[in-house]
Amino acid sequence: EIVLTQSPGTLSLSPGERATLSCRASQSVSSSYLAWYQQKPGQAPRLLIYGASSRATGIPDRFSGSGSGTDFTLTISRLEPEDFAVYYCQQYGSSRSAWTFGQGTKVEIK
Amino acid sequence: QVTLRESGPALVKPTQTLTLTCTFSGFSLITSGMCVSWIRQPPGKALEWLALIDWDDDKYYSTSLKTRLTISKDTSKNQVVLTMTNMDPVDTATYYCARTDPYSSSWSFDYWGQGTLVTVSS
Repeated sequence: EIVLTQSPGTLSLSPGERATLSCRASQSVSSSYLAWYQQKPGQAPRLLIYGASSRATGIPDRFSGSGSGTDFTLTISRLEPEDFAVYYCQQYGSSRSAWTFGQGTKVEIK
Repeated sequence: QVTLRESGPALVKPTQTLTLTCTFSGFSLITSGMCVSWIRQPPGKALEWLALIDWDDDKYYSTSLKTRLTISKDTSKNQVVLTMTNMDPVDTATYYCARTDPYSSSWSFDYWGQGTLVTVSS
């Protein structure tokens, strides 16, 4: 099973700043199968990015994804107040018993 | 408009079997490629994928929980059911159902229910 490790655990930033979140896989992941989610307190996760770099429907262009192999990045170009949340990466392994999530990165207001 | 909604007991006792139902609309599980998963999240912790069922009635389970899980579907009712046996307090979590449409968003989860909190306690 592929393990996803996200860093940092917490990111303290101010509105308007750039956020860079990392997701590292224990084995190579197909870029087609790497996604990012945003979760706010008391809410279900929301899909932001799929296929490592494709924005989901309705997601603002300040969110972007990149990476390949074992290293992936979610970038928020300029933080808006509503972007302070927990972010998870997720991968799908071709064995079809291997959807796994990272442990999350919390983006908090500095 | 795609929606999913989870339903089931809020409280179960240790050793009991949990049965959760996901009722969805806006898509059909007879459409080629469509899948529905169950995912859980213990309080304050990360997400954990549990099981997936696809349009062809193929079923996939988390390796660590495989012996305790059963997923099924009723396409006439637009429902997916998850049963988890031998519940333990460590299974206390919010349980979500979520859709996968590999043709539009690869193997990610593009729509989620609001979740249902299940507490395991005697």
